[in-house]
Amino acid sequence: QVTLKESGPALVKPTQTLTLTCTFSGFSLSTSGMRVSWIRQPPGKALEWLARIDWDDDKFYSTSLKTRLTISKDTSKNQVVLTMTNMDPVDTATYYCARIAAGVNWFDPWGQGTLVTVSS
Amino acid sequence: DIQMTQSPSSLSASVGDRVTITCRASQSISTYLNWYQQKPGKAPKLLIYAASSLQSGVPSRFSGSGSGTDFTLTISSLQPEDFATYYCQQSYSTPAVTFGGGTKVEIK
Repeated sequence: QVTLKESGPALVKPTQTLTLTCTFSGFSLSTSGMRVSWIRQPPGKALEWLARIDWDDDKFYSTSLKTRLTISKDTSKNQVVLTMTNMDPVDTATYYCARIAAGVNWFDPWGQGTLVTVSS
Repeated sequence: DIQMTQSPSSLSASVGDRVTITCRASQSISTYLNWYQQKPGKAPKLLIYAASSLQSGVPSRFSGSGSGTDFTLTISSLQPEDFATYYCQQSYSTPAVTFGGGTKVEIK
């Protein structure tokens, strides 16, 4: 069974750096073709793709957020980490990680999500 | 970026109704289109992939169709557990995928 779970601070102050961890089980990110993405959803709004890391350590970022995002993986710990710098209240959202299996182009499954509020 | 436009943004329907949700892409995306269901406070769940393929475990009352720029998600007979928000997502421009704005299906 594949599961993912996000963790990180529930509250960050404006200008701070957010660090989120996605801990997963049931698959290995060293398996050829495996990928993990981060997606966020502001309260009451739609989903927005943020970043992706691949089994071969290729990394991809949203064009609009590229300068603020860093994604990395620790294969031995089955974790993917996302950092977002210079947080602003508009970054308040539920942040999800999700798997993209080898050979496919859809997210399945998703983690439960973690709500991050940006406020002073 | 490829823009995905869903319509309607919300709808009211009764149990047993046939429901159709539309998703339009700003350019042709072949059949690189996926549908997700999201219930309040929960993560999205994959329903349909590659425009018309039903994800394992998803009831057969859900179906998807379309190619190019126009796609539909149909629920043939709405059940109480289907009241949720539905999102389309294009994977044509992977990794830079985009989602539609969502369609909230409410009880009439």
